Amino acid sequence: AQTVTQSQPEMSVQEAETVTLSCTYDTSENNYYLFWYKQPPSRQMILVIRQEAYKQQNATENRFSVNFQKAAKSFSLKISDSQLGDTAMYFCAFMKNTGNQFYFGTGTSLTVIP
Amino acid sequence: NAGVTQTPKFQVLKTGQSMTLQCAQDMNHEYMSWYRQDPGMGLRLIHYSVGAGITDQGEVPNGYNVSRSTTEDFPLRLLSAAPSQTSVYFCASGRKGGTNEKLFFGSGTQLSVL
Repeated sequence: AQTVTQSQPEMSVQEAETVTLSCTYDTSENNYYLFWYKQPPSRQMILVIRQEAYKQQNATENRFSVNFQKAAKSFSLKISDSQLGDTAMYFCAFMKNTGNQFYFGTGTSLTVIP
Repeated sequence: NAGVTQTPKFQVLKTGQSMTLQCAQDMNHEYMSWYRQDPGMGLRLIHYSVGAGITDQGEVPNGYNVSRSTTEDFPLRLLSAAPSQTSVYFCASGRKGGTNEKLFFGSGTQLSVL
């Protein structure tokens, strides 16, 4: 079975600063996908960024980037120039290449302080 | 494009009552799934389906039934509600296989069982 661990239940960051959210996972698979989803107070699940395990280059989406360390099974999310709208719960997720089952971490609640 | 539509958004039940949470998607996705979200536990997979007529259990299936008679619809049935089923429920869909995988989520159902 796959497991996803987010060891930081809560974090805070000053507006305009940079913050990194941690995620580790355990799998015996070689090909898989990793995701970060954002859940603002509206409860909607929003895809932030996606990484294919076979790609060595770290994914980037505007202010959001990841540090993917396949050997260490680590997948951290860096948010640059934090904005008040980044305040949300962030979930790390794993999906095997052979199926659609997603495995989620327990989430990190991020608060951006003005 | 409506995406994934869940109804109702809120529901209060008494212990022992039954109800059905509705989920519909208009993206012709083969894969559909139900998750429950509880504080400190992330999202846990209840049941999923990879196509019409095919369903399977996820991590926490007890107390829930599903069916998939059409590609578009994937209802979740609570047979005899219990307080332990108080949670936020999300329906999600995606393409089966492929190279651009992600899950599309509904807006969630807040369920309280008294």
